[in-house]
Amino acid sequence: KNEVEQSPQNLTAQEGEFITINCSYSVGISALHWLQQHPGGGIVSLFMLSSGKKKHGRLIATINIQEKHSSLHITASHPRDSAVYICAVVTGDKLIFGTGTRLQVFP
Amino acid sequence: NAGVTQTPKFRILKIGQSMTLQCTQDMNHNYMYWYRQDPGMGLKLIYYSVGAGITDKGEVPNGYNVSRSTTEDFPLRLELAAPSQTSVYFCASSYADGLSYEQYFGPGTRLTVT
Repeated sequence: KNEVEQSPQNLTAQEGEFITINCSYSVGISALHWLQQHPGGGIVSLFMLSSGKKKHGRLIATINIQEKHSSLHITASHPRDSAVYICAVVTGDKLIFGTGTRLQVFP
Repeated sequence: NAGVTQTPKFRILKIGQSMTLQCTQDMNHNYMYWYRQDPGMGLKLIYYSVGAGITDKGEVPNGYNVSRSTTEDFPLRLELAAPSQTSVYFCASSYADGLSYEQYFGPGTRLTVT
């Protein structure tokens, strides 16, 4: 079993829908990163959080350390949100990456 | 600022050949990283550097070497390429410890070894 599991693996949505991507982990962590990988391959860091909730534009990330779970929400989704979303956890001196959730948003 | 740049974008190597993947950042970041991304797998850390002259192994260092002679450059050397090294390689940098700070990624190098 992977130490970082993301669900769903694939997600399709219609433009305007509210999107939730989940990340569960089985190790103790000090922080969690959410990243976005564009269809062309480029990777951009979206959030780093260690507790509570962070918001940036239409993106909201939450984390529950006790339940070992984080969610990434996208409000009013748009086709340009189509990408792979990757969760990565900081455990000790390591960063462990999930395999990503592929999101496609259709007009 | 160009950010993190990588060359080449694509490369096909024959088994046993060697090559160097170039990575340069212009953000004066001390920390730099090399990752590989295999289909269906999470990113894996190959090597990292916390400053010029200092490098250390990551999770999957076998078959690779790195050097860090300047703050800006962090080349990754593949010696005796093997099919198992077919992957997409990403270089990244961060202002400080990339565990606690945002990492900035290059566009990637897609390498095929046949």
